Amino acid sequence: NAGVMQNPRHLVRRRGQEARLRCSPMKGHSHVYWYRQLPEEGLKFMVYLQKENIIDESGMPKERFSAEFPKEGPSILRIQQVVRGDSAAYFCASSPVSDYLGNTEAFFGQGTRLTVV
Amino acid sequence: AQKITQTQPGMFVQEKEAVTLDCTYDTSDQSYGLFWYKQPSSGEMIFLIYQGSYDEQNATEGRYSLNFQKARKSANLVISASQLGDSAMYFCAMREAGSNDYKLSFGAGTTVTVRA
Repeated sequence: NAGVMQNPRHLVRRRGQEARLRCSPMKGHSHVYWYRQLPEEGLKFMVYLQKENIIDESGMPKERFSAEFPKEGPSILRIQQVVRGDSAAYFCASSPVSDYLGNTEAFFGQGTRLTVV
Repeated sequence: AQKITQTQPGMFVQEKEAVTLDCTYDTSDQSYGLFWYKQPSSGEMIFLIYQGSYDEQNATEGRYSLNFQKARKSANLVISASQLGDSAMYFCAMREAGSNDYKLSFGAGTTVTVRA
């Protein structure tokens, strides 16, 4: 049973380009969470999605960032017109149901390292 | 306010010795969960251990144990018999009860370097 799969592992974009990060949840999981890790910091929550629904995007920057989780296919985190400050590691996690305290494990994908040059 | 505080930015430990990584947390919830993750230089986040706020016993997983002191709001990670492969960044995280119980709040991390 494959874990959470993210691709690409590394992504280099020039300022002003678009970055698309993909996350395929674990089999049977319909809930996806995106986190961002800036250099030398811990992970920060960005957005929580269920299939075809955004449940909580309170951690997303107001502009240029968007996320989706379509009925078919992976979840996509999209960053338009990237700037150097977007350089970070972006992690995705998934769960079979909405996470609750009884869920004693939380598994992350291997992350996508975005570098904006 | 910071929910998770890790005060040790970096630590050195001799191979085969034990090391304790500090973590204090801030919450007004009675029900919450505490997690520790390891992030090696390759960058992935590896889940290590979990402690529930109502768990009466300290969690253990192999060489990892969690020293949970609820009244002090601390959840220190103890790694026994350190190995060179333990060199990594370690993050403490918390999930609180309530409508946002899916969110993990992370500390800034502690870098551990194991010396031969």
